[in-house]
Amino acid sequence: AQSVTQPDIHITVSEGASLELRCNYSYGATPYLFWYVQSPGQGLQLLLKYFSGDTLVQGIKGFEAEFKRSQSSFNLRKPSVHWSDAAEYFCAVGAGEYGNKLVFGAGTILRVKS
Amino acid sequence: DTAVSQTPKYLVTQMGNDKSIKCEQNLGHDTMYWYKQDSKKFLKIMFSYNNKELIINETVPNRFSPKSPDKAHLNLHINSLELGDSAVYFCASSQSGGLLREQFFGPGTRLTVL
Repeated sequence: AQSVTQPDIHITVSEGASLELRCNYSYGATPYLFWYVQSPGQGLQLLLKYFSGDTLVQGIKGFEAEFKRSQSSFNLRKPSVHWSDAAEYFCAVGAGEYGNKLVFGAGTILRVKS
Repeated sequence: DTAVSQTPKYLVTQMGNDKSIKCEQNLGHDTMYWYKQDSKKFLKIMFSYNNKELIINETVPNRFSPKSPDKAHLNLHINSLELGDSAVYFCASSQSGGLLREQFFGPGTRLTVL
């Protein structure tokens, strides 16, 4: 069965520092991969997605992610974190018979210190 | 100009009661979803409807019954509420096309069962 692991429950970074959030997936075929962000009291917002092609994908808010098949990873990165990036981040893989449902990881809470 | 809206935002009720959560989207999408986010922030799909037809029905107690009166609405009715039903429930919508289409999430409904 498809699954997603986000090894870090919490991460704290200083404002202006770089960020990397880890995501590992388990899926038999070429996966559809996603990163979502959830701000407190809000719904989820799509940051970026990977379906095929270039393994480095750009998203909104200055985020990018790199798909590494050999490591079954899809880590999210940002070169310089802003205080407004503090939120919870969810990695997800497309799954299901028709690839039409999302399987989420447990999330990583990002704290930004000034 | 809310895209995906849910009512109510908070719902506190006693065990054994029956309650409904409503979801409406004004994006013109034809696919809608219900997700459950438990106390550990683990997000899991429950149901999906496409053009008012059920296409995803995960292993969910039959006390949960989704109803889609039209493409813009997907309501969730829960019978005989249990303590374990306490969670945040998110509605989402997308165009047809499976995961190639972005899912837009509502703000969530926090259900507390006492």
